[in-house]
Amino acid sequence: DAGITQSPRHKVTETGTPVTLRCHQTENHRYMYWYRQDPGHGLRLIHYSYGVKDTDKGEVSDGYSVSRSKTEDFLLTLESATSSQTSVYFCAISDRGSTDTQYFGPGTRLTVL
Amino acid sequence: AQTVTQSQPEMSVQEAETVTLSCTYDTSESDYYLFWYKQPPSRQMILVIRQEAYKQQNATENRFSVNFQKAAKSFSLKISDSQLGDAAMYFCAYRAQKLVFGQGTRLTINP
Repeated sequence: DAGITQSPRHKVTETGTPVTLRCHQTENHRYMYWYRQDPGHGLRLIHYSYGVKDTDKGEVSDGYSVSRSKTEDFLLTLESATSSQTSVYFCAISDRGSTDTQYFGPGTRLTVL
Repeated sequence: AQTVTQSQPEMSVQEAETVTLSCTYDTSESDYYLFWYKQPPSRQMILVIRQEAYKQQNATENRFSVNFQKAAKSFSLKISDSQLGDAAMYFCAYRAQKLVFGQGTRLTINP
């Protein structure tokens, strides 16, 4: 298994509060991704990173920001959480971008009340 | 925009039998990759099999094989000798620049 951890694994928060999810990898892969998984939608890309301090938006980026100050860490921040952001969040990594397989972390279940 | 469609929300099969999960995709690209991921109740996304579009030979991984029809934009997954541990959600995914997932098929294995 690829060395990918996510923290926290579960979080319950209230509407309007800021939330930060962390993804940590030990594979030294260049590319990192954040997805959300909702019933009936499969996984959808929120943001991705193609190097330290290099990030770009995915298809559902509104309400989310990311940062990557080190190769091994990719942070996803909800500046002001809303109930529509209740979801399971997955981090993924890949070594060579579009020609490479993505490997996924264990997921974080976030509930916004 | 690329889309991936899994038309079977749920499938079931008897243990030791063979089952085929369907996937179609829409793209104008000629060079891309296709994947099947398995998600058991633990929620972990596990890569099952990968197919490069430029390869005519269908990928195989032990009991898992694909039927890749590029002209028809079809990418089905066949599971032979189904085992109880195969019970999971299965996601088909397409990748040119970004990874796009289908909605998933829930597979149940009946003992």
